[in-house]
Amino acid sequence: EIVLTQSPGTLSLSPGDRATLSCRASQSVSENSLGWYQQKPGQAPRLLIYGVSNRATGIPDRFSGSGSGTDFTLTISRLEPEDFAVYYCQQYGSSPPYSFGQGTKLEIK
Amino acid sequence: QVQLVQSGAEVKDPGSSVKVSCKASGGTFTSYTFSWVRQAPGQGLEWMGRIIPILGITNYTHKFQGRVTITADKSTSTVYMGLSSLRSEDTAVYYCAIGWASTIRYFQSWGQGTLVSVSS
Repeated sequence: EIVLTQSPGTLSLSPGDRATLSCRASQSVSENSLGWYQQKPGQAPRLLIYGVSNRATGIPDRFSGSGSGTDFTLTISRLEPEDFAVYYCQQYGSSPPYSFGQGTKLEIK
Repeated sequence: QVQLVQSGAEVKDPGSSVKVSCKASGGTFTSYTFSWVRQAPGQGLEWMGRIIPILGITNYTHKFQGRVTITADKSTSTVYMGLSSLRSEDTAVYYCAIGWASTIRYFQSWGQGTLVSVSS
């Protein structure tokens, strides 16, 4: 099973800042099967990015994903107040089990 | 766009079983692969398993093998997740989630979540 490790655990930034979140896999993720989700308190997660770099429907272009192999990044170019939340990466390779990272909490500085 | 509506919160005794439902509407039930994801209080997301209703195939993560059963009822467009031998560590919000086609393995729609509390 692929283990995903996210860093940092908590990121403290201000609105307007640029956020860079990291996700590292214990082995290469096949077929670029890596996604990112945002979760706010009391809500279900929301898909932001799939296939490493493709924005999901309705996701603003300040969100972008990059990476390959075992190292992936979610970048939020200019933080809006509504972006402060917890972010999870997920790998969904050709065969299950699928797995999530432990999450990065993005908080207001 | 498909919507997923889950059953209500449950309170269970240790050692008992629970069955959570997830009803899909607004789409073609057999087009989807349904996964179950759980989240313990204050913790991260944990993928439990999935079902492909059109093929009748299920896969479970090793951690839950033998305790979890995922089934589908095509006549009611409902998927069920059963978990047995409950313990306090199973207290969590359980989500169903799907991709909008059977080949999509990331999760585009989520249910609202069902809180299962295990306590004596």
